[in-house]
Amino acid sequence: DADVTQTPRNRITKTGKRIMLECSQTKGHDRMYWYRQDPGLGLRLIYYSFDVKDINKGEISDGYSVSRQAQAKFSLSLESAIPNQTALYFCATSDPGWTSGRESQSTDTQYFGPGTRLTVL
Amino acid sequence: DAKTTQPPSMDCAEGRAANLPCNHSTISGNEYVYWYRQIHSQGPQYIIHGLKNNETNEMASLIITEDRKSSTLILPHATLRDTAVYYCIVRVPGTYKYIFGTGTRLKVLA
Repeated sequence: DADVTQTPRNRITKTGKRIMLECSQTKGHDRMYWYRQDPGLGLRLIYYSFDVKDINKGEISDGYSVSRQAQAKFSLSLESAIPNQTALYFCATSDPGWTSGRESQSTDTQYFGPGTRLTVL
Repeated sequence: DAKTTQPPSMDCAEGRAANLPCNHSTISGNEYVYWYRQIHSQGPQYIIHGLKNNETNEMASLIITEDRKSSTLILPHATLRDTAVYYCIVRVPGTYKYIFGTGTRLKVLA
């Protein structure tokens, strides 16, 4: 079974509709992230959450909102979808992974879900 | 912000070593370098990460230069299934935000 799941995997919607993308994880990680990927480009961070009470904007949060319902669930909403939000959306989780020693550091490796392909007409 | 530079594409013969370079000359002293790959439009898959020393795991080896300004990911015996886009990633200093570039599209040839 996949550790990070996303639903739906594909969605076609119309301009102005409200859309929710859901992410669930069984890795027990506190940190969760939402990214979008446009064709030929790398991923860009939309929102991230370090625990249930913590929500932070990423580099492209306009037009999006999120909800962290539980440690294992992080949802992304498009309140009024527009065509330029057509993209691949990925959820990710991470654990701080603190190294041992006097200068402890966080490795914070992220693990990604399979993605949701969203098309806004 | 720290960022990475990678060649846009590379070819490698099946069974040969694939060496993927990355420049990260503005990396801060305590930031890790991470490598991921993305096959078709699937979610990025973690490969390896390192700080100063060379690292090896079951998937790959990571060679980091002594000045930490560049690194090389080595797939020792590339297979057709290694065809993917490979991303070299650093974080925004002082944060947990990954900076994704456009990656290297590796094509393994039969």
